[in-house]
Amino acid sequence: DTAVSQTPKYLVTQMGNDKSIKCEQNLGHDTMYWYKQDSKKFLKIMFSYNNKELIINETVPNRFSPKSPDKAHLNLHINSLELGDSAVYFCASRALGRHNEQFFGPGTRLTVL
Amino acid sequence: GDSVTQMEGPVTLSEEAFLTINCTYTATGYPSLFWYVQYPGEGLQLLLKATKADDKGSNKGFEATYRKETTSFHLEKGSVQVSDSAVYFCALSDLQGAQKLVFGQGTRLTINP
Repeated sequence: DTAVSQTPKYLVTQMGNDKSIKCEQNLGHDTMYWYKQDSKKFLKIMFSYNNKELIINETVPNRFSPKSPDKAHLNLHINSLELGDSAVYFCASRALGRHNEQFFGPGTRLTVL
Repeated sequence: GDSVTQMEGPVTLSEEAFLTINCTYTATGYPSLFWYVQYPGEGLQLLLKATKADDKGSNKGFEATYRKETTSFHLEKGSVQVSDSAVYFCALSDLQGAQKLVFGQGTRLTINP
């Protein structure tokens, strides 16, 4: 009964390929996020969806496209993968309310060769 | 924009030592403040939070007090254990729109027996 789950946990692929990462939360939250953690452990917001609607889109290349089929799922599709996309990608969710914390998934380690 | 600065790591201590990890922030309003912990190979877990000035968050022996006058949220623990070895992230939530988290750079803590 994992609260926020991601698949796959590890993803190794070649430059130029297209790949997707899936995220699901069973907490009933309305808001979901994608964060990127680089090799120095720095975490930065990429996207946020509230009830299937995109509300944050930080300066992320167009090759990254989030999709939210329903409020429990937020997937991340990446086209034409580059070496610099290698990172750990974390999904998170949060309940509505001003001070609520975010719950994170276990992360997906993406390695682009 | 909003930002969070943590003390540089890594930090290495002996078991039962006193721990302080400094965190200061810059924000236009009055954000909520969080400490998250990342154990090796895992996602982020909320350690504690504070939502207004002078609030003290506490959990598992860790404490942090929201200091508006010094814009700080330092993490402390009186007696650390080997199991506390992890990377610790200070973060703020901007309370606007999707309330994304802005993270500090993380501090790696190693506790030796």
